[in-house]
Amino acid sequence: NAGVTQTPKFQVLKTGQSMTLQCAQDMNHNSMYWYRQDPGMGLRLIYYSASEGTTDKGEVPNGYNVSRLNKREFSLRLESAAPSQTSVYFCASSEVYAGSGGSQYEQYFGPGTRLTVT
Amino acid sequence: GQQVMQIPQYQHVQEGEDFTTYCNSSTTLSNIQWYKQRPGGHPVFLIQLVKSGEVKKQKRLTFQFGEAKKNSSLHITATQTTDVGTYFCAGSWNYGGSQGNLIFGKGTKLSVKP
Repeated sequence: NAGVTQTPKFQVLKTGQSMTLQCAQDMNHNSMYWYRQDPGMGLRLIYYSASEGTTDKGEVPNGYNVSRLNKREFSLRLESAAPSQTSVYFCASSEVYAGSGGSQYEQYFGPGTRLTVT
Repeated sequence: GQQVMQIPQYQHVQEGEDFTTYCNSSTTLSNIQWYKQRPGGHPVFLIQLVKSGEVKKQKRLTFQFGEAKKNSSLHITATQTTDVGTYFCAGSWNYGGSQGNLIFGKGTKLSVKP
């Protein structure tokens, strides 16, 4: 049971190049998320998928696209990388997007992808 | 948009001293979660608070949710070197009966001197 896996672990891109970050979870979770983490900024939500077949924008979606390929996999694509997209990217999953009674479900994070755009 | 303010940004303590980090929202939260991220690692869920005035304990960690559900704190008693890392709070709000996304605070980075 690997939990949430991400590939690659590290990547260096030149401005204008494209790439896809891969994420997979083996916990049969319905919901998946992509965050970026910048120094001193906490985690900011880029896109999320509340359930298979749906995707929605988060706080900072510009410059990114996502695909929920199936229940297990959720990919993040940078079509034309910019230096401002240098960051650590985390994928996460949760059993369900939101619970009843005002609760949320805990999120399980992958190990992250450290991306540098030069 | 909604945000949670977390203070302090950094805290350096001597091993054995206590540590507290605080989160505040200007509007009533639906719930708040706490995560810990070790250096070079990924965030790991610690706990969720949902009820007004809720207090939960995990060994040396005490989590509180304010009566007005606008603030929360994490207190560590007698810190150890294993407590080193960044602690994040993450809150969400109700919008017309629907839960919003988790919004993370900027985190408090704790260092512990042996």
